[in-house]
Amino acid sequence: AQSVTQLDSHVSVSEGTPVLLRCNYSSSYSPSLFWYVQHPNKGLQLLLKYTSAATLVKGINGFEAEFKKSETSFHLTKPSAHMSDAAEYFCVVSEGGTYKYIFGTGTRLKVLA
Amino acid sequence: NAGVTQTPKFQVLKTGQSMTLQCAQDMNHEYMSWYRQDPGMGLRLIHYSVGAGITDQGEVPNGYNVSRSTTEDFPLRLLSAAPSQTSVYFCASSYSIEGSAKNIQYFGAGTRLSVL
Repeated sequence: AQSVTQLDSHVSVSEGTPVLLRCNYSSSYSPSLFWYVQHPNKGLQLLLKYTSAATLVKGINGFEAEFKKSETSFHLTKPSAHMSDAAEYFCVVSEGGTYKYIFGTGTRLKVLA
Repeated sequence: NAGVTQTPKFQVLKTGQSMTLQCAQDMNHEYMSWYRQDPGMGLRLIHYSVGAGITDQGEVPNGYNVSRSTTEDFPLRLLSAAPSQTSVYFCASSYSIEGSAKNIQYFGAGTRLSVL
C-alpha cells in the first residue's frame, strides 16, 4: 500500500536562507511523486513532479526535489526563501503512474523577514 | 480554458439540510475526484470517477453521494449535513492513462462549507 509522510508539520526560515521540506514515501511499485503548494485560502498548484525520468526534478519558483529510491525520500528544497513562499506544501504519491493520489498531511512554511 | 470550476465558494448549512457542491472541468479529463481538507490531515479522497457513468468510493465516502452523467460535471451531494462535514472541499481532474506522465491532477479553488 502507498503512503507518504511529511516529517515536519511546520518549518520556519528567514528570508534569503535555504528551504528544506522533508517527505518520505512507501510504495510497492514505481511511484510518481508530486509536490503541491497551497497559498492561504487558495487551491492547490503543482510545483513539480517525478515520473521516473531524471531523479533531480526542477519545478516552478526555484524549487527542486530529488528522488532517492534507497532512502524512499523526495525532499523539496529551495536555495533562498522569499516571503511569497509562505504557504502549505503537500507531498503526494501515486502508484505506478496511476491517477489516484495519496496526500501527506502537509508542511506549513513560514518565512521570517 | 477555465480549468476546474467549483461553486459555491462558501456555504453555511444547518444540520440536516441537503446541498450539492458543483464541479465542472473543460479539459476533457476522464478522471474526476472530490477531496476534503481538514487541519493536520491533508486531503482525503471522498469519491472519484474514471468516466461518465462510473463512480467509486474513496477513503471517506460516508455521508456523500456522487454521480457522473457527463464528462464535464461531477457534483457532490450532502443528503443530510452534519457538523462533522464542516471542511474545505476540493474537486480535481486529470487524464487517467495507466503509467502516463500526463496523470497530473488539476484542482479547483475549493468550497468552504460550515455546518451548524
